[in-house]
Amino acid sequence: EVQVLESGGGLVQPGGSLRLSCAASGFTFTSYAMTWVRRPPGKGLEWVSAVSGNGRTTYYADSVKGRFTVSRDNSHNTLFLQMNNLRAEDTAVYYCAKVLTWRGAIDYWGQGTLVTVSS
Amino acid sequence: QSVLTQPPSVSAAPGQKVTISCSGSSSNIGSNYVSWYQHLPGTAPKLLIYDNNKRPSGIPDRFSDSKSGTSATLGITGLQTGDEADYYCGTWDSSLGAWVFGGGTRLTVL
Repeated sequence: EVQVLESGGGLVQPGGSLRLSCAASGFTFTSYAMTWVRRPPGKGLEWVSAVSGNGRTTYYADSVKGRFTVSRDNSHNTLFLQMNNLRAEDTAVYYCAKVLTWRGAIDYWGQGTLVTVSS
Repeated sequence: QSVLTQPPSVSAAPGQKVTISCSGSSSNIGSNYVSWYQHLPGTAPKLLIYDNNKRPSGIPDRFSDSKSGTSATLGITGLQTGDEADYYCGTWDSSLGAWVFGGGTRLTVL
């Protein structure tokens, strides 16, 4: 059974940093791209970032480019999102998800972890 | 402002059919497969439809989609109260080099 489980969310002040982790199981981790998607309170889904299976190719939404860094540890089946210089508008539930086909559908999602940026 | 445009809400009675539209452009829907997701806040989003009307295991054939040019449509037949959720279309945008989603449509089963 495919499972993805996020952790690392919490309350952080504007300008602060946070690192999200996502533990994956039930599939060959290195064979699939992984992605982060967020849902701000009262708003819809917003794609954040993605990384290819071998970790060499990364993509970012313009809203987080230069502040967020996605990476993966294929030896431990874990995905990361390093978030720096956080802003109030980054407040959201962050979902880790498996990408079915590169630039295609996102087929398995986690339950999400809440990030709140507030002073 | 989302790259893909969906109606904010739709509603229908139990047992009826509803459609949800998703409008984009040549760089996204016009040149890439569309996928559809169901989401109840507090839960994990669920993939419903992908790659030209394919359904993951466990998704009933009450859910279907179609595409014409730069627009796509999700159809749900035999509506159930358990279908009440937010529905999103999504695809890759070749110009932006990014995944894009619609703003979401809240389905109410009256």
